[in-house]
Amino acid sequence: AQSVTQPDIHITVSEGASLELRCNYSYGATPYLFWYVQSPGQGLQLLLKYFSGDTLVQGIKGFEAEFKRSQSSFNLRKPSVHWSDAAEYFCAVLFMEYGNKLVFGAGTILRVKS
Amino acid sequence: DVKVTQSSRYLVKRTGEKVFLECVQDMDHENMFWYRQDPGLGLRLIYFSYDVKMKEKGDIPEGYSVSREKKERFSLILESASTNQTSMYLCASHASGGAGAGGELFFGEGSRLTVL
Repeated sequence: AQSVTQPDIHITVSEGASLELRCNYSYGATPYLFWYVQSPGQGLQLLLKYFSGDTLVQGIKGFEAEFKRSQSSFNLRKPSVHWSDAAEYFCAVLFMEYGNKLVFGAGTILRVKS
Repeated sequence: DVKVTQSSRYLVKRTGEKVFLECVQDMDHENMFWYRQDPGLGLRLIYFSYDVKMKEKGDIPEGYSVSREKKERFSLILESASTNQTSMYLCASHASGGAGAGGELFFGEGSRLTVL
């Protein structure tokens, strides 16, 4: 079955430190991959997406993500975290062979300490 | 400006009532989705539709049904609301197509349903 796993429920990093949020999926083919961010009380905002080509994709707000086919992963990174990055982050995977089924991970809550 | 509109932002219903949540998109998208969002559980897919009159069960379809009579409208129905259906409901849509076709998901603002 198709699934998306974000193994970290909460992550706390210091302001200025680097960040990596993990995302793994279960699927036989290469899916479309997304990262969204949601600030408290706000809607979901698309950070970046991967469809094909270069496996390192750049997004908004200084985020990037790398698709690793061999590991079925699409981890989100940022070299230096700002306090305003505190939010919940969702990985999403579009499984095209199942009628374009879009599945989200359970989310990772990022806390930034000063 | 592209838009996904959910008819109700906040609803309060009683147990056993029938509830309709409406979603309309103006982007001529083929694919539409209903999710519920709960703390610690992320967004869970209830139903989705890839064409008019077509529907597919998501991961948690029990207690819900959907209707897609027109391309722009995707309705979520709770035949008999229960307290465990208290949640935030999000509608979304995106276009179909091959690689590079875009695929960005557009969300509505959400409908917060409370079942008493």
